[in-house]
Amino acid sequence: ETGVTQTPRHLVMGMTNKKSLKCEQHLGHNAMYWYKQSAKKPLELMFVYSLEERVENNSVPSRFSPECPNSSHLFLHLHTLQPEDSALYLCASSQEVLLQETQYFGPGTRLLVL
Amino acid sequence: GESVGLHLPTLSVQEGDNSIINCAYSNSASDYFIWYKQESGKGPQFIIDIRSNMDKRQGQRVTVLLNKTVKHLSLQIAATQPGDSAVYFCAEPLGLNSGYSTLTFGKGTMLLVSP
Repeated sequence: ETGVTQTPRHLVMGMTNKKSLKCEQHLGHNAMYWYKQSAKKPLELMFVYSLEERVENNSVPSRFSPECPNSSHLFLHLHTLQPEDSALYLCASSQEVLLQETQYFGPGTRLLVL
Repeated sequence: GESVGLHLPTLSVQEGDNSIINCAYSNSASDYFIWYKQESGKGPQFIIDIRSNMDKRQGQRVTVLLNKTVKHLSLQIAATQPGDSAVYFCAEPLGLNSGYSTLTFGKGTMLLVSP
């Protein structure tokens, strides 16, 4: 186990649903990340948080809304998604948002949008 | 139109063989590289890293080689085992608009190890 947990592991939702993905890290890290991994593209960085402050929004559509209430928890709120949003959503954490800090990944949430 | 999936390069080896996974990077100014391993149903896991002032670094059964002249990185796995079957990613620096730096990941190579 990497110390990063994600729930749910699998999620099926319709385009009109609202759901949330949860990530929790037990490593005492200050930085957390959301990535999208789809069959069509390499691993894509979505959002970066440092000490609960968003420091990067990598041109992600507004139907994805992140929330970081504290340095241990990260959420990704989903609403009115499209079928092309189906993918594996990975959360990661690192000690700081620095290049040479190892990122530790959770197991991901496999999302299917119908 | 029809969507085309990302076809990962695949390396198939026999158990006990040595494996070499290659990665070409794009930014000649990149000064730090990491290899990650992603097993089925799991997130990527750190394997080994290397700084640009080195051309070789060894870990346990793994060696990373860096050739800055041709912007090429390789991961060598000695005595490959079935448990090494996974997708392997190289990663290089990514500067963020905020001034922070993180990583950008390559497409990955799938390693299949037969008993």
